[in-house]
Amino acid sequence: EAGVAQSPRYKIIEKRQSVAFWCNPISGHATLYWYQQILGQGPKLLIQFQNNGVVDDSQLPKDRFSAERLKGVDSTLKIQPAKLEDSAVYLCASSPSGQGHQPQHFGDGTRLSIL
Amino acid sequence: GDSVTQMEGPVTLSEEAFLTINCTYTATGYPSLFWYVQYPGEGLQLLLKATKADDKGSNKGFEATYRKETTSFHLEKGSVQVSDSAVYFCALSDSGGGADGLTFGKGTHLIIQP
Repeated sequence: EAGVAQSPRYKIIEKRQSVAFWCNPISGHATLYWYQQILGQGPKLLIQFQNNGVVDDSQLPKDRFSAERLKGVDSTLKIQPAKLEDSAVYLCASSPSGQGHQPQHFGDGTRLSIL
Repeated sequence: GDSVTQMEGPVTLSEEAFLTINCTYTATGYPSLFWYVQYPGEGLQLLLKATKADDKGSNKGFEATYRKETTSFHLEKGSVQVSDSAVYFCALSDSGGGADGLTFGKGTHLIIQP
């Protein structure tokens, strides 16, 4: 089966600019997650969707970050305006349903550098 | 809130040595526990998991046992190979209320020398 697809692989922008990342989960997976992984740390959950509804966005910096999954399939994460501390790898993951015992499948990530 | 603590790296071993990477956790509920691995140049992938106390997850010669009494999930392998060089992440999922996002440790960089 095709894995989780993310684009772009790399993005370089200047601070205060905006950027968007795209994710297409594994076909049939109802649950989609966005994580932020800062260099030297483990991934941190930003937001979880179940179909097109938000289940958990408690760690999403809502003043600058937004995400949507309008048709319950692919998703977009946006940062506007970007800050230097947003430099990180942004990972998308999916699972069949939001049951904690099921493993999540990760994409290769988008590496964001802020100048 | 939930948290995962794992041993700091890098951990450097010789080929065929015994490996232990310690992982302890705190959780409000009854979590599922995972080890994920990231090989050089590749994405995160599941290595093994355990969903209840005393369960043992195993894969590719690696094992970890869910110890509720010590809140631990240590990763072990009897004889490591150069190909095991990677970053290993311990993680938990505490699916209270349907929110089952993973909480990760900081990762342990494992280097196996021939």
